[in-house]
Amino acid sequence: KQEVTQIPAALSVPEGENLVLNCSFTDSAIYNLQWFRQDPGKGLTSLLLIQSSQREQTSGRLNASLDKSSGRSTLYIAASQPGDSATYLCAVRQEYNFNKFYFGSGTKLNVKP
Amino acid sequence: GAGVSQSPSNKVTEKGKDVELRCDPISGHTALYWYRQSLGQGLEFLIYFQGNSAPDKSGLPSDRFSAERTGGSVSTLTIQRTQQEDSAVYLCASSRNTGSHGELFFGEGSRLTVL
Repeated sequence: KQEVTQIPAALSVPEGENLVLNCSFTDSAIYNLQWFRQDPGKGLTSLLLIQSSQREQTSGRLNASLDKSSGRSTLYIAASQPGDSATYLCAVRQEYNFNKFYFGSGTKLNVKP
Repeated sequence: GAGVSQSPSNKVTEKGKDVELRCDPISGHTALYWYRQSLGQGLEFLIYFQGNSAPDKSGLPSDRFSAERTGGSVSTLTIQRTQQEDSAVYLCASSRNTGSHGELFFGEGSRLTVL
């Protein structure tokens, strides 16, 4: 069964720093991987979607990479801002069980002004 | 609509009462998912609908929980005889599962508090 792990569970950085969030998965037979942001008391907002055939996706200050063979994805946030403070979750969609999503437990990011 | 819409956004109920939570997915999305998120916890899969196929109910925690999806669009999650441990945020998500990249979109959730 697919297991998705996000380390660290929490991260605190000063404003302006570049940072990397990690997501690892045990079964490399994935269809895609999606990064989400969740603000307190809110739903999940989709940030980036990487297909299994892709190596990276970029949106503004965010860059997500995927190394399927090693079961890893990273979310790089450049020049962090206090408004980036939120919980970041990754989710993988399986190749052979397309309807299932497996979520990590998230990394809670705090960007200090 | 433009996004996944859920109602009510907040619901406070007494133990033993029934509640209904509604989800209106993005137009054209054939797949609809319900998840539960307890305070400080991860997402717990509840149920999945795909088009006219039989739903995947494997995540429903007890027979007090049921869901339906009418006309392949709006879905209602019903919790009967609510218990305090049902208190959580219930999140709905939809996806265009066929002929697309399969991106998942979430609503803002319904926060349920059982007193």
